[in-house]
Amino acid sequence: QLQLQESGPGLVKPSETLSLTCTVSGGSISSSSYSWTWIRQPPGKELEWIGSMHYFGNTYYNPSIKTRVTMSVDTSKNQFSLKLSSVTAADTAVYYCAREYLGNDGQLDYWGQGTLVTVSS
Amino acid sequence: QSVLTQPPSVSGAPGQRVTISCTGSSSNIGAGYDVNWYQQLPGTAPKLLIYGNTNRPSGVPDRFSGSKSGTSASLAITGLQAEDEADYYCQSHDSSLKVFGGGTKLTVL
Repeated sequence: QLQLQESGPGLVKPSETLSLTCTVSGGSISSSSYSWTWIRQPPGKELEWIGSMHYFGNTYYNPSIKTRVTMSVDTSKNQFSLKLSSVTAADTAVYYCAREYLGNDGQLDYWGQGTLVTVSS
Repeated sequence: QSVLTQPPSVSGAPGQRVTISCTGSSSNIGAGYDVNWYQQLPGTAPKLLIYGNTNRPSGVPDRFSGSKSGTSASLAITGLQAEDEADYYCQSHDSSLKVFGGGTKLTVL
């Protein structure tokens, strides 16, 4: 059974960089059938797609935060990562990592449990 | 303002049928992109409920069904149960971007 687990600091200061890692177990991140995705959900609000990437490096980011986002993958550790720079209180959210099936449907079939990141001084 | 529009809330009594709509545009659902639905129980991560407009992953009861027509999609839940009380999100694509609906809170009366 595939499992995803987010990890990283739960508190980040304004203007600093948020860094999260998603560890994939029970399956390989190096599959051409899937991409790896970050999604966030501010408290009490809806889901927001941050970006997706393939293990070979292609990345797709939400235009609304594209200038502040960097995603990367470490196939040797079966992990992928998110960096969000110049954070503000508006970036406070539960951050989820997920697997996307690269078919016509593009469904997110496995999700991590999520990690709350609070931006505050 | 979400790209896909859902009603903020719906409700129904146990055993009843409810539907949740998801309205998009010609650049997403109307462009032929498939719609997926997710169920988010309180305090948990979203779970895939319907993919490819009408398909249920293994383990999802057949009380849940999806449909799509034109620029809209719908999720139907029959035989409503207390455990169905959750937030429901539709998701599709808009060019290479992934878009979500604003979510619908289902209350079982």
